[in-house]
Amino acid sequence: EAGVAQSPRYKIIEKRQSVAFWCNPISGHATLYWYQQILGQGPKLLIQFQNNGVVDDSQLPKDRFSAERLKGVDSTLKIQPAKLEDSAVYLCASSLRRLDGSAKNIQYFGAGTRLSVL
Amino acid sequence: AQSVAQPEDQVNVAEGNPLTVKCTYSVSGNPYLFWYVQYPNRGLQFLLKYITGDNLVKGSYGFEAEFNKSQTSFHLKKPSALVSDSALYFCAVRGPDRGSTLGRLYFGRGTQLTVWP
Repeated sequence: EAGVAQSPRYKIIEKRQSVAFWCNPISGHATLYWYQQILGQGPKLLIQFQNNGVVDDSQLPKDRFSAERLKGVDSTLKIQPAKLEDSAVYLCASSLRRLDGSAKNIQYFGAGTRLSVL
Repeated sequence: AQSVAQPEDQVNVAEGNPLTVKCTYSVSGNPYLFWYVQYPNRGLQFLLKYITGDNLVKGSYGFEAEFNKSQTSFHLKKPSALVSDSALYFCAVRGPDRGSTLGRLYFGRGTQLTVWP
């Protein structure tokens, strides 16, 4: 089974530039997550999709970050304009279903995109 | 509010010795707890989970974790450490399946495990 695919692996930009990350989840996984992992910290959820609908974007800085999952499969996360504090690893994860009443769903993670903002 | 604490930034152990990576949690409702491992330049890999049932949970690569409700802990253990176990370990708790946090995972800061030969 293919895992969660992310690209690019690395990106270096200057502040105020824009950047986009792409994620292709595991086939059949309805739920897709974007996390931000700042060096020395655990991942923090930015946004959660169920199919092509947003179910949780409460921690997404909406003035500069946006995400979409138009056809309910792959997703893009965009930052515009980037700030120095956006330097982090951006992780995409997917799971089979959002809820099954027993919280058994395991999130499977991609390798991430390491963003450096100079 | 949901949160996870990993009190040790770093754990060092000799190969062949038992290892423990500590985790305590705070959650409203039933705790759903997870351990993930992260190797350099890799994403997080699922190790094991506690949903309900036996307090001792067995997972991948010989790891196990002990759920202790009274101490709100979920420590990761392995009887005999390997050099290849050296990695960053994250404990996570799942938020309640309702409201705006709808099943969100809350991660600890991570514990760097180093196993020396």
